[in-house]
Amino acid sequence: NAGVTQTPKFQVLKTGQSMTLQCAQDMNHEYMSWYRQDPGMGLRLIHYSVGAGITDQGEVPNGYNVSRSTTEDFPLRLLSAAPSQTSVYFCASSYMDRAQTWGGYTFGSGTRLTVV
Amino acid sequence: AQKITQTQPGMFVQEKEAVTLDCTYDTSDPSYGLFWYKQPSSGEMIFLIYQGSYDQQNATEGRYSLNFQKARKSANLVISASQLGDSAMYFCAMREVNTGFQKLVFGTGTRLLVSP
Repeated sequence: NAGVTQTPKFQVLKTGQSMTLQCAQDMNHEYMSWYRQDPGMGLRLIHYSVGAGITDQGEVPNGYNVSRSTTEDFPLRLLSAAPSQTSVYFCASSYMDRAQTWGGYTFGSGTRLTVV
Repeated sequence: AQKITQTQPGMFVQEKEAVTLDCTYDTSDPSYGLFWYKQPSSGEMIFLIYQGSYDQQNATEGRYSLNFQKARKSANLVISASQLGDSAMYFCAMREVNTGFQKLVFGTGTRLLVSP
């Protein structure tokens, strides 16, 4: 099925470990982004990309790296996991049509990460 | 900076009744978009309804309607004829338009519980 695929769905890390959250979309969307969701808060933007090779920081980028080597993939790397990074992570893709009209957001199903 | 405020942490409604979830927003941009998402206990983000700032009519999608009052900067979600399956978290979000990337700014959410 077309959409945004996130893996893994669940992950437990020890403090200091590194890992990569995977995100792939098959809709040829130019924009991709990562959000985190913490209890009592809405989703907050971590990093985003406006196309292959172009990334930028969002609201809460510290402790995370991203790269966009292809249109389809946008992995999120945790360099040295900390308990404060325990959260649910969502990847989203979006696009603009030829009339420069927003074409909608598609969210992945989320990754629940626990850092102990 | 753009901001979304959802002042109702929780709402209760009986099945088949209508319910209004409040959302106010703050932005200096003349062009923006407002969304409502539903997040059931399974965790995925489900798009419900969208209202553009220049849309003349309130958006409707089946049992969902958006009561858009631009002068008051409010975008309340109205669910008519509530169903048990409507029990979930509901997030209001705003899209920043006048930037190179169209990010979403989320409110803190309202938990809706529908009782038989």
